[in-house]
Amino acid sequence: EVQLVESGGVVVQPGGSLRLSCAASGFTFDDYAMHWVRQAPGKGLEWVSLISWDGGSTYYADSVKGRFTISRDNSKNSLYLQMNSLRAEDTALYYCAKDIYAHSSGWYAVDYWGQGTLVTVSS
Amino acid sequence: QSALTQPASVSGSPGQSITISCTGTSSDVGGYNYVSWYQQHPGKAPKLMIYEVSNRPSGVSNRFSGSKSGNTASLTISGLQAEDEADYYCSSYTSSSSGVFGGGTKLTVL
Repeated sequence: EVQLVESGGVVVQPGGSLRLSCAASGFTFDDYAMHWVRQAPGKGLEWVSLISWDGGSTYYADSVKGRFTISRDNSKNSLYLQMNSLRAEDTALYYCAKDIYAHSSGWYAVDYWGQGTLVTVSS
Repeated sequence: QSALTQPASVSGSPGQSITISCTGTSSDVGGYNYVSWYQQHPGKAPKLMIYEVSNRPSGVSNRFSGSKSGNTASLTISGLQAEDEADYYCSSYTSSSSGVFGGGTKLTVL
């Protein structure tokens, strides 16, 4: 059974930093691209970032480019999102998600989602 | 990376069919056959309903179908059931290999 478990969400002040983690199990982690998608309270889904199966390619939404860094450790079946210079508009539930295709390096579709970790940026 | 355009809400009675549209550009929806649709019930994670425009993952009811014409994709739900009431989001691959979502459509089953 595929499981994605996010952690690291907390309340942080504007301008602060945070690292989110996602522990994956139930599939061959290093075969698949992974994604972060967020959802602000009461709002829609927003794609944030993706990393290819081998970590060689990364992509970011314009809203987070230069502030967020996605990474993965295939030896630990883990995905990360380093978030710097946080703003109030970054407040959201952050989902970790698995790409549907093996060995992909773009956004095609996601077939499994975690339950999300809540990041609140507030003073 | 402008969001795809979806109607804010649609409604239908049990047993009826509804269609949700998703309009993008030639740099996303119109340029690639990588449109996907997600269902989200309140307080739950999204669930994949359609991928590659019209393919259903295993376990998804055949009452759900997808199509695309030009820059607009569509999700059709036939034989509406109370359990279909949820938010629906379309998404597409883009020319920069990134993803983009629609704003979401709230489906109400009357």
